[in-house]
Amino acid sequence: GAVVSQHPSRVICKSGTSVKIECRSLDFQATTMFWYRQFPKKSLMLMATSNEGSKATYEQGVEKDKFLINHASLTLSTLTVTSAHPEDSSFYICSAYPTSANTGELFFGEGSRLTVL
Amino acid sequence: QKEVEQDPGPLSVPEGAIVSLNCTYSNSAFQYFMWYRQYSRKGPELLMYTYSSGNKEDGRFTAQVDKSSKYISLFIRDSQPSDSATYLCAISRAGNNRKLIWGLGTSLAVNP
Repeated sequence: GAVVSQHPSRVICKSGTSVKIECRSLDFQATTMFWYRQFPKKSLMLMATSNEGSKATYEQGVEKDKFLINHASLTLSTLTVTSAHPEDSSFYICSAYPTSANTGELFFGEGSRLTVL
Repeated sequence: QKEVEQDPGPLSVPEGAIVSLNCTYSNSAFQYFMWYRQYSRKGPELLMYTYSSGNKEDGRFTAQVDKSSKYISLFIRDSQPSDSATYLCAISRAGNNRKLIWGLGTSLAVNP
Protein backbone atom coordinates (compact mmCIF):
# COMPACT_ATOMS: atom_id res chain seq x y z
CA GLY A 1 0.00 0.00 0.00
CA ALA A 2 0.89 3.65 -0.22
CA VAL A 3 3.28 5.03 2.41
CA VAL A 4 2.82 8.18 4.45
CA SER A 5 5.72 9.28 6.62
CA GLN A 6 5.42 11.56 9.62
CA HIS A 7 8.24 13.28 11.47
CA PRO A 8 9.07 13.61 14.28
CA SER A 9 7.40 10.61 15.88
CA ARG A 10 7.86 12.09 19.32
CA VAL A 11 8.61 15.62 20.48
CA ILE A 12 8.85 17.23 23.89
CA CYS A 13 8.89 21.00 24.12
CA LYS A 14 8.59 23.79 26.63
CA SER A 15 5.41 25.78 27.00
CA GLY A 16 5.37 28.79 24.69
CA THR A 17 7.51 27.29 21.95
CA SER A 18 6.36 26.26 18.49
CA VAL A 19 6.60 22.77 17.07
CA LYS A 20 6.48 21.70 13.42
CA ILE A 21 5.30 18.26 12.32
CA GLU A 22 5.89 17.05 8.77
CA CYS A 23 3.73 14.67 6.76
CA ARG A 24 5.07 13.25 3.51
CA SER A 25 3.55 10.94 0.94
CA LEU A 26 6.53 8.84 -0.11
CA ASP A 27 5.36 7.07 -3.24
CA PHE A 28 2.40 9.06 -4.45
CA GLN A 29 1.20 12.62 -4.94
CA ALA A 30 -1.47 13.94 -2.62
CA THR A 31 -3.44 17.06 -3.42
CA THR A 32 -5.22 16.74 -0.12
CA MET A 33 -3.99 15.66 3.27
CA PHE A 34 -5.81 15.50 6.56
CA TRP A 35 -4.62 16.30 10.07
CA TYR A 36 -6.13 14.51 13.05
CA ARG A 37 -5.73 14.73 16.77
CA GLN A 38 -6.26 11.79 19.06
CA PHE A 39 -6.59 11.78 22.82
CA PRO A 40 -5.89 8.63 24.85
CA LYS A 41 -8.51 5.95 24.25
CA LYS A 42 -10.49 8.27 22.02
CA SER A 43 -11.21 8.22 18.33
CA LEU A 44 -9.55 10.43 15.79
CA MET A 45 -10.72 14.02 15.64
CA LEU A 46 -10.33 15.73 12.28
CA MET A 47 -8.64 19.07 12.75
CA ALA A 48 -8.24 20.33 9.22
CA THR A 49 -8.04 19.46 5.56
CA SER A 50 -4.81 20.54 3.93
CA ASN A 51 -4.98 21.50 0.25
CA GLU A 52 -1.89 21.85 -1.92
CA GLY A 53 -1.38 25.42 -3.00
CA SER A 54 -4.28 26.88 -1.05
CA LYS A 55 -5.44 27.56 2.48
CA ALA A 56 -6.36 24.72 4.76
CA THR A 57 -9.95 24.14 5.76
CA TYR A 58 -10.34 23.93 9.53
CA GLU A 59 -13.01 22.06 11.43
CA GLN A 60 -15.26 23.93 13.79
CA GLY A 61 -13.56 24.71 17.07
CA VAL A 62 -10.01 24.36 15.75
CA GLU A 63 -7.97 27.56 16.00
CA LYS A 64 -6.31 28.20 12.67
CA ASP A 65 -3.85 30.67 14.18
CA LYS A 66 -2.85 28.06 16.72
CA PHE A 67 -2.47 25.18 14.31
CA LEU A 68 -0.80 26.48 11.16
CA ILE A 69 -0.96 24.19 8.15
CA ASN A 70 1.13 24.55 5.04
CA HIS A 71 0.81 22.27 2.00
CA ALA A 72 3.56 23.58 -0.22
CA SER A 73 3.96 20.59 -2.50
CA LEU A 74 2.08 17.50 -3.64
CA THR A 75 4.04 15.33 -1.23
CA LEU A 76 4.45 17.48 1.88
CA SER A 77 2.12 19.06 4.42
CA THR A 78 3.26 20.57 7.71
CA LEU A 79 1.40 21.29 10.92
CA THR A 80 2.89 23.90 13.25
CA VAL A 81 1.58 24.13 16.78
CA THR A 82 2.30 27.71 17.75
CA SER A 83 2.95 28.85 21.31
CA ALA A 84 2.29 25.36 22.56
CA HIS A 85 0.72 24.80 25.96
CA PRO A 86 0.32 21.63 28.03
CA GLU A 87 -3.28 21.22 26.81
CA ASP A 88 -1.89 20.87 23.27
CA SER A 89 -0.17 17.64 24.31
CA SER A 90 -1.69 14.96 22.15
CA PHE A 91 -1.13 12.45 19.36
CA TYR A 92 -1.24 14.13 15.95
CA ILE A 93 -1.78 11.99 12.87
CA CYS A 94 -1.82 12.91 9.20
CA SER A 95 -3.38 11.03 6.33
CA ALA A 96 -3.43 11.29 2.56
CA TYR A 97 -4.83 9.57 -0.49
CA PRO A 98 -3.32 9.31 -3.96
CA THR A 99 -4.57 12.12 -6.18
CA SER A 100 -4.89 9.65 -9.04
CA ALA A 101 -7.16 7.28 -7.09
CA ASN A 102 -10.92 7.77 -7.31
CA THR A 103 -11.76 5.97 -4.09
CA GLY A 104 -12.17 6.87 -0.45
CA GLU A 105 -9.07 4.95 0.58
CA LEU A 106 -6.85 6.90 2.99
CA PHE A 107 -3.37 6.09 4.21
CA PHE A 108 -2.06 7.26 7.56
CA GLY A 109 1.25 8.33 8.96
CA GLU A 110 2.66 6.77 12.12
CA GLY A 111 1.62 9.72 14.22
CA SER A 112 3.53 12.31 16.23
CA ARG A 113 3.26 12.43 19.98
CA LEU A 114 3.61 15.95 21.32
CA THR A 115 4.30 16.57 25.00
CA VAL A 116 4.33 20.18 26.16
CA LEU A 117 5.95 20.73 29.53
CA GLN B 1 -27.81 10.43 17.06
CA LYS B 2 -24.15 9.98 16.14
CA GLU B 3 -23.40 9.34 12.50
CA VAL B 4 -21.41 6.23 13.38
CA GLU B 5 -21.85 4.10 16.47
CA GLN B 6 -19.25 1.59 17.62
CA ASP B 7 -19.06 -0.23 20.93
CA PRO B 8 -15.68 0.68 22.46
CA GLY B 9 -15.41 -2.60 24.35
CA PRO B 10 -12.97 -3.71 25.62
CA LEU B 11 -13.34 -7.11 24.05
CA SER B 12 -11.26 -10.01 25.34
CA VAL B 13 -11.13 -13.37 23.58
CA PRO B 14 -8.96 -16.50 23.73
CA GLU B 15 -6.51 -17.20 20.94
CA GLY B 16 -8.16 -18.95 18.01
CA ALA B 17 -11.59 -17.43 18.62
CA ILE B 18 -13.68 -15.78 15.93
CA VAL B 19 -14.02 -12.07 16.62
CA SER B 20 -16.96 -9.99 15.47
CA LEU B 21 -16.68 -6.21 15.44
CA ASN B 22 -19.57 -4.01 14.42
CA CYS B 23 -20.62 -0.47 13.57
CA THR B 24 -23.91 1.10 12.67
CA TYR B 25 -24.41 4.32 10.76
CA SER B 26 -27.34 6.62 10.36
CA ASN B 27 -27.15 8.14 6.88
CA SER B 28 -27.69 6.11 3.74
CA ALA B 29 -25.58 8.65 1.81
CA PHE B 30 -22.46 6.94 3.12
CA GLN B 31 -21.12 4.64 0.44
CA TYR B 32 -17.53 3.79 1.42
CA PHE B 33 -16.75 1.63 4.41
CA MET B 34 -13.38 0.97 5.96
CA TRP B 35 -11.86 -0.86 8.86
CA TYR B 36 -8.62 0.33 10.37
CA ARG B 37 -6.40 -1.32 12.95
CA GLN B 38 -4.46 0.84 15.37
CA TYR B 39 -1.76 -0.43 17.66
CA SER B 40 -0.93 1.60 20.72
CA ARG B 41 0.89 4.85 19.89
CA LYS B 42 0.81 4.18 16.15
CA GLY B 43 -1.18 5.56 13.27
CA PRO B 44 -4.19 3.61 11.92
CA GLU B 45 -3.51 0.96 9.33
CA LEU B 46 -6.09 0.23 6.65
CA LEU B 47 -7.34 -3.35 6.91
CA MET B 48 -10.39 -3.55 4.71
CA TYR B 49 -12.10 -1.23 2.29
CA THR B 50 -15.40 -1.80 0.54
CA TYR B 51 -18.15 0.17 -1.13
CA SER B 52 -20.85 -2.38 -1.78
CA SER B 53 -23.14 -4.58 0.25
CA GLY B 54 -21.98 -8.11 0.84
CA ASN B 55 -18.79 -9.74 2.03
CA LYS B 56 -15.16 -9.06 1.23
CA GLU B 57 -12.54 -11.49 2.40
CA ASP B 58 -8.80 -11.00 2.88
CA GLY B 59 -7.00 -13.80 4.65
CA ARG B 60 -8.39 -14.13 8.16
CA PHE B 61 -10.41 -10.93 7.83
CA THR B 62 -13.90 -10.59 6.38
CA ALA B 63 -15.71 -7.28 6.04
CA GLN B 64 -19.45 -7.36 5.74
CA VAL B 65 -21.71 -4.51 4.72
CA ASP B 66 -25.49 -4.45 4.97
CA LYS B 67 -26.65 -1.16 3.51
CA SER B 68 -30.32 -1.91 4.10
CA SER B 69 -29.66 -2.14 7.84
CA LYS B 70 -26.83 0.42 7.83
CA TYR B 71 -24.66 -2.11 9.58
CA ILE B 72 -21.05 -3.06 8.95
CA SER B 73 -18.99 -5.83 10.49
CA LEU B 74 -15.45 -7.09 10.60
CA PHE B 75 -14.81 -10.74 11.36
CA ILE B 76 -11.43 -12.07 12.39
CA ARG B 77 -10.97 -15.82 12.16
CA ASP B 78 -8.39 -17.79 14.13
CA SER B 79 -7.54 -14.70 16.15
CA GLN B 80 -3.94 -14.27 17.27
CA PRO B 81 -2.35 -12.30 20.12
CA SER B 82 -0.87 -10.05 17.45
CA ASP B 83 -4.42 -9.02 16.55
CA SER B 84 -4.68 -7.25 19.91
CA ALA B 85 -5.29 -3.63 18.95
CA THR B 86 -8.02 -1.05 18.56
CA TYR B 87 -10.22 -1.50 15.50
CA LEU B 88 -11.89 1.56 14.06
CA CYS B 89 -14.63 1.66 11.49
CA ALA B 90 -14.78 4.64 9.17
CA ILE B 91 -17.26 5.68 6.54
CA SER B 92 -17.42 8.33 3.87
CA ARG B 93 -19.89 9.60 1.32
CA ALA B 94 -19.89 8.67 -2.31
CA GLY B 95 -17.81 10.58 -4.81
CA ASN B 96 -14.59 12.36 -4.00
CA ASN B 97 -15.37 13.28 -0.42
CA ARG B 98 -12.59 11.67 1.56
CA LYS B 99 -13.69 13.17 4.83
CA LEU B 100 -14.10 10.13 7.01
CA ILE B 101 -16.58 9.72 9.83
CA TRP B 102 -15.03 7.56 12.53
CA GLY B 103 -16.35 5.15 15.06
CA LEU B 104 -14.90 5.33 18.58
CA GLY B 105 -12.90 2.16 18.03
CA THR B 106 -13.18 -1.21 19.75
CA SER B 107 -10.30 -2.34 21.91
CA LEU B 108 -9.54 -6.03 21.34
CA ALA B 109 -7.32 -8.27 23.44
CA VAL B 110 -6.54 -11.79 22.21
CA ASN B 111 -5.22 -13.87 25.05
CA PRO B 112 -2.73 -16.71 24.40
